[in-house]
Amino acid sequence: GAGVSQSPSNKVTEKGKDVELRCDPISGHTALYWYRQSLGQGLEFLIYFQGNSAPDKSGLPSDRFSAERTGGSVSTLTIQRTQQEDSAVYLCASSLSTSRDNEQFFGPGTRLTVL
Amino acid sequence: QKEVEQNSGPLSVPEGAIASLNCTYSDRVSQSFFWYRQYSGKSPELIMSIYSNGDKEDGRFTAQLNKASQYVSLLIRDSQPSDSATYLCAVIRTGRRALTFGSGTRLQVQP
Repeated sequence: GAGVSQSPSNKVTEKGKDVELRCDPISGHTALYWYRQSLGQGLEFLIYFQGNSAPDKSGLPSDRFSAERTGGSVSTLTIQRTQQEDSAVYLCASSLSTSRDNEQFFGPGTRLTVL
Repeated sequence: QKEVEQNSGPLSVPEGAIASLNCTYSDRVSQSFFWYRQYSGKSPELIMSIYSNGDKEDGRFTAQLNKASQYVSLLIRDSQPSDSATYLCAVIRTGRRALTFGSGTRLQVQP
């Protein structure tokens, strides 16, 4: 079956502009995660959605970052007033949400470059 | 102290040898452990998960977990040049859902 898909694959933007990144999880997966990977910080958690529950936003680095998930499926990560330090690969993952088996499968990522 | 620690490498092994990758974690209540493989320019690919003490084998891969020592390892038997990648160790703490990653170990398999 289809894996996690993300768009765009690459995004170049100017400092101060807003960007939207999209994630479409694996069909049937109820949990969705956003991570980012940068050279200096490694792979770090941003936000987690599970069904209709309130998202876990504990990893968001600032209030410029927000995310939503519509209809329990597709998610959009929005970064407002982008800064150069936001340059990274943004990765989305999804999982079947059981109590123990939380294997997360990653999409191909969106490489964001802020000039 | 980092939550998940890995030797950055590179770990260089000859083709056909066993590659041993190690990971330690600081939070004793961690409950789920994963190994991901990441090729340069690609996203992480799940290769093993382990939840109980002991060994878990899948093909050429064996994951080993020792919760008392807070240590998890990955053995790759009959290493192939195509195994050359960065291997990321990740853990999930009890009560949480997000993965916490180590910085990864770069493996080089020499033909």
